[in-house]
Amino acid sequence: GAGVSQSPSNKVTEKGKDVELRCDPISGHTALYWYRQRLGQGLEFLIYFQGNSAPDKSGLPSDRFSAERTGESVSTLTIQRTQQEDSAVYLCASSLVRSSYNEQFFGPGTRLTVL
Amino acid sequence: SQELEQSPQSLIVQEGKNLTINCTSSKTLYGLYWYKQKYGEGLIFLMMLQKGGEEKSHEKITAKLDEKKQQSSLHITASQPSHAGIYLCGADHTSGTYKYIFGTGTRLKVLA
Repeated sequence: GAGVSQSPSNKVTEKGKDVELRCDPISGHTALYWYRQRLGQGLEFLIYFQGNSAPDKSGLPSDRFSAERTGESVSTLTIQRTQQEDSAVYLCASSLVRSSYNEQFFGPGTRLTVL
Repeated sequence: SQELEQSPQSLIVQEGKNLTINCTSSKTLYGLYWYKQKYGEGLIFLMMLQKGGEEKSHEKITAKLDEKKQQSSLHITASQPSHAGIYLCGADHTSGTYKYIFGTGTRLKVLA
């Protein structure tokens, strides 16, 4: 069966450019999460969706970061005017319901490099 | 300082040896999760522990939760090269919410 997929798998961009990262969750999963993982560091929570609403955006590091979700399907994380400190692996996860007692299924991540 | 500390940060063992990875929380744990990460494959869920004293096993991997110590340990018996990867613990510090806090990971290498 299909798991969580993310695209692109790798993205190299120049400082100041905008990038869009895509996440396709497992079909039927209502909850969707975005995390960032900098080299040698743990996962940093960015944003969470329940359906297409995002009740908590407090993890977004700056107003250059935004995310959308279409219904209970694909989500896009957009980073505007990228900076070198945005370089990281961006991981998406989905779960059946909004609860920490449900396993989160992770995608393979998008490795973003900002030159 | 990290809310979740993992130790050791890296580990190299000979195939067949046992090993233990620890995860210590600075806050009360409402749920503790272990994941394994391999490059290009995302995180693979291993186990979830919720109750103090709980212990779960999957194949040769056993995880325990010491709620009082706010600590969990992951033990691998008779390690194999397939066990190599980064082991991450994740925790819920607020009952029933969706936010995980993750540790920095333990990088495991198993020598054949």
